[in-house]
Amino acid sequence: NAGVTQTPKFQVLKTGQSMTLQCAQDMNHEYMSWYRQDPGMGLRLIHYSVGAGITDQGEVPNGYNVSRSTTEDFPLRLLSAAPSQTSVYFCASSYSGGTTDTQYFGPGTRLTVL
Amino acid sequence: GENVEQHPSTLSVQEGDSAVIKCTYSDSASNYFPWYKQELGKRPQLIIDIRSNVGEKKDQRIAVTLNKTAKHFSLHITETQPEDSAVYFCAASKGTNAGKSTFGDGTTLTVKP
Repeated sequence: NAGVTQTPKFQVLKTGQSMTLQCAQDMNHEYMSWYRQDPGMGLRLIHYSVGAGITDQGEVPNGYNVSRSTTEDFPLRLLSAAPSQTSVYFCASSYSGGTTDTQYFGPGTRLTVL
Repeated sequence: GENVEQHPSTLSVQEGDSAVIKCTYSDSASNYFPWYKQELGKRPQLIIDIRSNVGEKKDQRIAVTLNKTAKHFSLHITETQPEDSAVYFCAASKGTNAGKSTFGDGTTLTVKP
């Protein structure tokens, strides 16, 4: 199993550009989430999904869109990039059931907005 | 919403000493409390977790304690080693949805040889 994969690893955008960060998991997990991590801070939840076709906002959703058409994929769209969106973005997935809720994180995408 | 506070922000210990990191949470409905270790440039990785129906859990040199009444939980690392140096994050979530976790701001642990 590849686990959780993210592409690209690095990206530089100009203010106003749009792009999609890709996230995929092959563990058949129901839950998937997007977090951003700014220097010296913890992870903040952007959007999450409890299953295909179901998404909801997290703590910092403004400027981002998500959709979940399949169990495996959960892309994050930046609509009009701003310097404040410079951050490291982590996708995570988890299987909720039984006795474990372990979140598995992808390797991250480091985004710089100029 | 949930608020998680983590202390200290930095912690330096000598190899072999113990390290303790503490977190408090605000939502009494939270019932799942994981701890993650993040090495520089890497992804967070779960090292131990605890549910609200358990007061303590141990895995070799790592233990977590939970006080539901006071709404705080702690990570204990004994016999620290240089490879324990990393940033540690606590988190809290409700129900069985760890995917909607609230994280603390992290503790940078440095273990001096």
